[in-house]
Amino acid sequence: DTEVTQTPKHLVMGMTNKKSLKCEQHMGHRAMYWYKQKAKKPPELMFVYSYEKLSINESVPSRFSPECPNSSLLNLHLHALQPEDSALYLCASSLTPGRSGELFFGEGSRLTVL
Amino acid sequence: QQQVKQSPQSLIVQKGGISIINCAYENTAFDYFPWYQQFPGKGPALLIAIRPDVSEKKEGRFTISFNKSAKQFSLHIMDSQPGDSATYFCAASIEWGEGFGNVLHCGSGTQVIVLP
Repeated sequence: DTEVTQTPKHLVMGMTNKKSLKCEQHMGHRAMYWYKQKAKKPPELMFVYSYEKLSINESVPSRFSPECPNSSLLNLHLHALQPEDSALYLCASSLTPGRSGELFFGEGSRLTVL
Repeated sequence: QQQVKQSPQSLIVQKGGISIINCAYENTAFDYFPWYQQFPGKGPALLIAIRPDVSEKKEGRFTISFNKSAKQFSLHIMDSQPGDSATYFCAASIEWGEGFGNVLHCGSGTQVIVLP
């Protein structure tokens, strides 16, 4: 079982809804990540939090808003999404920001935007 | 620009056969090369990784071969089993990097199907 826990596993939302994805890890990792994965494609980096501070934002639209309340939690707030935002959203963590190649992924949140 | 190129896109192998996936990279600053295995509906899981100071690493039925001069590396799955059917991603990063290197650059993925 993965040590990175994501909730919910599935989410269906309309374009006017506001929802949040949540991620939690208790491995003491100090870097946390959000990735977006479309079908049959590799994960694409969205955000990197390094010691609870946003360090990388890969030009993601503002309708995605990350939040890192503490070193164990990572949220992704969703608002006014588009149908093309439907994807598997993966949370990951690494021991330190420098160990970005050794990622521990959660099982993902499958998002469908109607 | 894709930092890591992966082939083939998919492959089918008989049970007991060998699956081979190839990857190539351009940035010589990369010094950590992991492979991730992803089953449908699940997140990727780190399978095996290598650093460029070794040419081969073996863990059970999985072997990474690394050619630093050619900037290529490959995954061999020996004695392939139906349970190995999954998508495999090669990747590259800078192990202790910051900034640009502080990301995982993934290949496009290879769907492996092992027939019983």
